[in-house]
Amino acid sequence: GDSVTQMEGPVTLSEEAFLTINCTYTATGYPSLFWYVQYPGEGLQLLLKATKADDKGSNKGFEATYRKETTSFHLEKGSVQVSDSAVYFCALIGVAGGTSYGKLTFGQGTILTVHP
Amino acid sequence: DAGVIQSPRHEVTEMGQEVTLRCKPISGHNSLFWYRQTMMRGLELLIYFNNNVPIDDSGMPEDRFSAKMPNASFSTLKIQPSEPRDSAVYFCASSFTFHEQFFGPGTRLTVL
Repeated sequence: GDSVTQMEGPVTLSEEAFLTINCTYTATGYPSLFWYVQYPGEGLQLLLKATKADDKGSNKGFEATYRKETTSFHLEKGSVQVSDSAVYFCALIGVAGGTSYGKLTFGQGTILTVHP
Repeated sequence: DAGVIQSPRHEVTEMGQEVTLRCKPISGHNSLFWYRQTMMRGLELLIYFNNNVPIDDSGMPEDRFSAKMPNASFSTLKIQPSEPRDSAVYFCASSFTFHEQFFGPGTRLTVL
Protein backbone atom coordinates (compact mmCIF):
# COMPACT_ATOMS: atom_id res chain seq x y z
CA GLY A 1 0.00 0.00 0.00
CA ASP A 2 0.85 3.67 -0.11
CA SER A 3 3.22 5.09 2.50
CA VAL A 4 5.02 8.33 3.36
CA THR A 5 8.24 8.64 5.35
CA GLN A 6 9.42 11.94 6.84
CA MET A 7 12.72 12.77 8.45
CA GLU A 8 12.89 12.27 12.16
CA GLY A 9 12.29 15.32 14.29
CA PRO A 10 12.16 17.54 16.13
CA VAL A 11 14.08 20.14 14.13
CA THR A 12 15.39 23.21 15.93
CA LEU A 13 16.75 26.16 13.97
CA SER A 14 17.73 29.77 14.52
CA GLU A 15 15.81 32.49 12.74
CA GLU A 16 16.94 33.04 9.12
CA ALA A 17 18.43 29.54 8.86
CA PHE A 18 17.79 27.30 5.85
CA LEU A 19 15.20 24.58 6.31
CA THR A 20 14.93 21.17 4.70
CA ILE A 21 12.46 18.51 5.79
CA ASN A 22 12.87 15.29 3.83
CA CYS A 23 9.90 13.30 2.57
CA THR A 24 9.88 10.14 0.49
CA TYR A 25 6.92 8.09 -0.59
CA THR A 26 5.86 4.70 -1.89
CA ALA A 27 2.87 4.56 -4.21
CA THR A 28 1.81 3.12 -7.53
CA GLY A 29 1.42 5.40 -10.51
CA TYR A 30 1.50 9.16 -10.07
CA PRO A 31 0.07 10.24 -6.72
CA SER A 32 -0.66 13.85 -5.79
CA LEU A 33 1.70 15.16 -3.10
CA PHE A 34 1.02 17.66 -0.32
CA TRP A 35 2.59 19.43 2.61
CA TYR A 36 0.29 20.37 5.46
CA VAL A 37 1.19 22.57 8.44
CA GLN A 38 -0.34 22.51 11.90
CA TYR A 39 0.23 25.51 14.16
CA PRO A 40 -0.18 25.00 17.91
CA GLY A 41 -3.80 24.48 18.90
CA GLU A 42 -5.08 24.55 15.33
CA GLY A 43 -6.16 22.16 12.59
CA LEU A 44 -4.06 21.18 9.60
CA GLN A 45 -3.72 23.70 6.78
CA LEU A 46 -2.62 22.96 3.25
CA LEU A 47 0.79 24.58 2.72
CA LEU A 48 1.53 23.51 -0.87
CA LYS A 49 0.89 20.75 -3.36
CA ALA A 50 2.13 19.17 -6.60
CA THR A 51 0.11 16.88 -8.82
CA LYS A 52 2.59 15.64 -11.41
CA ALA A 53 6.28 14.88 -11.78
CA ASP A 54 8.66 17.89 -11.79
CA ASP A 55 5.92 20.23 -10.53
CA LYS A 56 7.08 22.69 -7.87
CA GLY A 57 4.63 23.70 -5.21
CA SER A 58 5.31 26.96 -3.37
CA ASN A 59 3.66 29.11 -0.72
CA LYS A 60 4.80 31.56 1.99
CA GLY A 61 8.45 31.09 0.98
CA PHE A 62 8.24 27.30 1.21
CA GLU A 63 8.92 25.12 -1.82
CA ALA A 64 8.83 21.42 -2.69
CA THR A 65 9.48 19.68 -6.02
CA TYR A 66 7.80 16.42 -7.06
CA ARG A 67 10.69 14.08 -7.93
CA LYS A 68 9.41 10.89 -9.50
CA GLU A 69 12.87 9.40 -10.03
CA THR A 70 13.71 9.61 -6.32
CA THR A 71 10.09 9.36 -5.07
CA SER A 72 10.68 12.45 -2.95
CA PHE A 73 8.95 15.73 -2.08
CA HIS A 74 11.35 17.55 0.24
CA LEU A 75 10.19 20.80 1.86
CA GLU A 76 12.57 23.77 1.81
CA LYS A 77 12.64 27.37 2.94
CA GLY A 78 15.56 29.70 2.54
CA SER A 79 15.10 31.75 5.71
CA VAL A 80 12.82 30.55 8.50
CA GLN A 81 11.03 32.80 10.97
CA VAL A 82 9.87 32.22 14.53
CA SER A 83 6.32 32.18 13.18
CA ASP A 84 7.15 29.07 11.11
CA SER A 85 7.33 26.99 14.29
CA ALA A 86 4.75 24.25 13.76
CA VAL A 87 4.31 20.59 12.85
CA TYR A 88 4.75 19.78 9.16
CA PHE A 89 3.11 16.75 7.52
CA CYS A 90 3.96 15.29 4.13
CA ALA A 91 1.05 13.43 2.51
CA LEU A 92 -0.13 11.85 -0.70
CA ILE A 93 -3.37 10.92 -2.44
CA GLY A 94 -2.97 7.74 -4.42
CA VAL A 95 -4.42 6.96 -7.80
CA ALA A 96 -8.05 5.96 -8.18
CA GLY A 97 -9.09 2.40 -7.58
CA GLY A 98 -10.22 0.05 -4.90
CA THR A 99 -11.35 2.02 -1.88
CA SER A 100 -9.14 5.02 -2.65
CA TYR A 101 -11.57 7.90 -2.88
CA GLY A 102 -9.00 10.53 -2.16
CA LYS A 103 -7.84 9.23 1.19
CA LEU A 104 -4.70 11.03 2.38
CA THR A 105 -1.72 8.95 3.47
CA PHE A 106 0.28 11.02 5.98
CA GLY A 107 3.85 10.94 7.17
CA GLN A 108 4.37 10.99 10.91
CA GLY A 109 4.93 14.74 11.08
CA THR A 110 8.02 16.81 11.86
CA ILE A 111 8.08 19.32 14.69
CA LEU A 112 9.91 22.53 13.75
CA THR A 113 10.98 25.04 16.38
CA VAL A 114 12.59 28.29 15.32
CA HIS A 115 14.42 30.39 17.93
CA PRO A 116 15.01 34.15 17.65
CA ASP B 1 -16.52 30.46 2.51
CA ALA B 2 -16.81 29.49 6.18
CA GLY B 3 -14.59 26.44 5.86
CA VAL B 4 -15.24 23.18 7.66
CA ILE B 5 -17.23 23.79 10.83
CA GLN B 6 -16.96 21.53 13.88
CA SER B 7 -18.86 21.62 17.12
CA PRO B 8 -18.32 21.69 19.96
CA ARG B 9 -14.77 23.01 20.04
CA HIS B 10 -14.20 21.60 23.50
CA GLU B 11 -16.02 18.81 25.31
CA VAL B 12 -15.41 17.56 28.81
CA THR B 13 -17.42 14.55 29.91
CA GLU B 14 -17.34 11.72 32.38
CA MET B 15 -16.54 8.12 31.61
CA GLY B 16 -19.58 6.22 30.42
CA GLN B 17 -21.36 9.21 28.93
CA GLU B 18 -22.35 9.50 25.29
CA VAL B 19 -20.44 12.04 23.22
CA THR B 20 -21.54 13.40 19.83
CA LEU B 21 -19.21 15.42 17.64
CA ARG B 22 -20.58 17.34 14.68
CA CYS B 23 -19.17 18.45 11.35
CA LYS B 24 -20.42 20.62 8.53
CA PRO B 25 -18.25 20.19 5.41
CA ILE B 26 -17.51 22.87 2.84
CA SER B 27 -20.47 23.28 0.51
CA GLY B 28 -20.04 21.27 -2.68
CA HIS B 29 -17.43 18.89 -1.32
CA ASN B 30 -18.38 15.24 -1.74
CA SER B 31 -15.85 13.50 0.54
CA LEU B 32 -15.71 13.74 4.32
CA PHE B 33 -13.08 12.37 6.69
CA TRP B 34 -12.92 11.93 10.47
CA TYR B 35 -9.48 11.88 12.15
CA ARG B 36 -8.23 11.51 15.70
CA GLN B 37 -4.97 13.03 16.93
CA THR B 38 -3.11 12.13 20.12
CA MET B 39 0.47 12.56 21.26
CA MET B 40 0.96 8.82 21.46
CA ARG B 41 -0.60 7.72 18.18
CA GLY B 42 -0.33 10.83 16.03
CA LEU B 43 -2.96 11.48 13.37
CA GLU B 44 -5.28 8.54 12.63
CA LEU B 45 -7.99 8.28 9.97
CA LEU B 46 -11.12 6.85 11.59
CA ILE B 47 -13.63 6.74 8.75
CA TYR B 48 -14.42 8.47 5.49
CA PHE B 49 -17.46 9.02 3.32
CA ASN B 50 -17.90 9.66 -0.38
CA ASN B 51 -21.25 11.05 -1.55
CA ASN B 52 -22.60 10.39 1.96
CA VAL B 53 -21.72 6.68 1.81
CA PRO B 54 -19.17 5.22 4.27
CA ILE B 55 -16.24 3.91 2.23
CA ASP B 56 -13.75 2.72 4.82
CA ASP B 57 -14.34 2.48 8.56
CA SER B 58 -11.37 0.25 9.31
CA GLY B 59 -9.84 2.95 11.47
CA MET B 60 -12.75 3.08 13.90
CA PRO B 61 -11.23 1.72 17.11
CA GLU B 62 -14.16 -0.34 18.34
CA ASP B 63 -17.92 -0.69 18.38
CA ARG B 64 -18.27 2.18 20.81
CA PHE B 65 -17.55 4.49 17.88
CA SER B 66 -20.07 5.17 15.13
CA ALA B 67 -20.35 7.79 12.39
CA LYS B 68 -23.18 8.92 10.17
CA MET B 69 -23.61 11.26 7.25
CA PRO B 70 -27.35 11.72 6.71
CA ASN B 71 -26.85 14.37 4.03
CA ALA B 72 -24.15 16.23 2.15
CA SER B 73 -23.92 19.03 4.70
CA PHE B 74 -23.73 17.20 8.02
CA SER B 75 -21.92 14.36 9.73
CA THR B 76 -21.67 13.08 13.29
CA LEU B 77 -19.17 10.96 15.18
CA LYS B 78 -20.59 9.33 18.28
CA ILE B 79 -18.83 7.60 21.15
CA GLN B 80 -21.01 5.54 23.47
CA PRO B 81 -19.93 4.86 26.16
CA SER B 82 -16.92 7.13 26.33
CA GLU B 83 -13.70 6.12 28.10
CA PRO B 84 -10.68 8.17 29.28
CA ARG B 85 -8.53 6.69 26.48
CA ASP B 86 -10.84 8.38 23.96
CA SER B 87 -9.46 11.75 25.05
CA ALA B 88 -7.99 13.34 21.91
CA VAL B 89 -8.51 16.05 19.33
CA TYR B 90 -10.98 14.94 16.66
CA PHE B 91 -10.75 16.57 13.23
CA CYS B 92 -13.18 16.56 10.37
CA ALA B 93 -11.99 17.29 6.82
CA SER B 94 -13.75 17.60 3.47
CA SER B 95 -12.71 17.60 -0.17
CA PHE B 96 -13.70 17.08 -3.77
CA THR B 97 -12.76 13.48 -4.45
CA PHE B 98 -9.02 13.18 -5.11
CA HIS B 99 -8.32 16.81 -4.32
CA GLU B 100 -6.75 18.36 -1.23
CA GLN B 101 -8.57 18.06 2.05
CA PHE B 102 -9.63 21.06 4.11
CA PHE B 103 -9.58 20.53 7.85
CA GLY B 104 -11.83 21.91 10.52
CA PRO B 105 -10.48 23.44 13.75
CA GLY B 106 -11.04 20.23 15.69
CA THR B 107 -12.92 19.20 18.82
CA ARG B 108 -10.81 18.67 21.93
CA LEU B 109 -12.43 15.85 23.89
CA THR B 110 -11.55 15.14 27.51
CA VAL B 111 -13.10 12.10 29.16
CA LEU B 112 -12.64 12.08 32.94
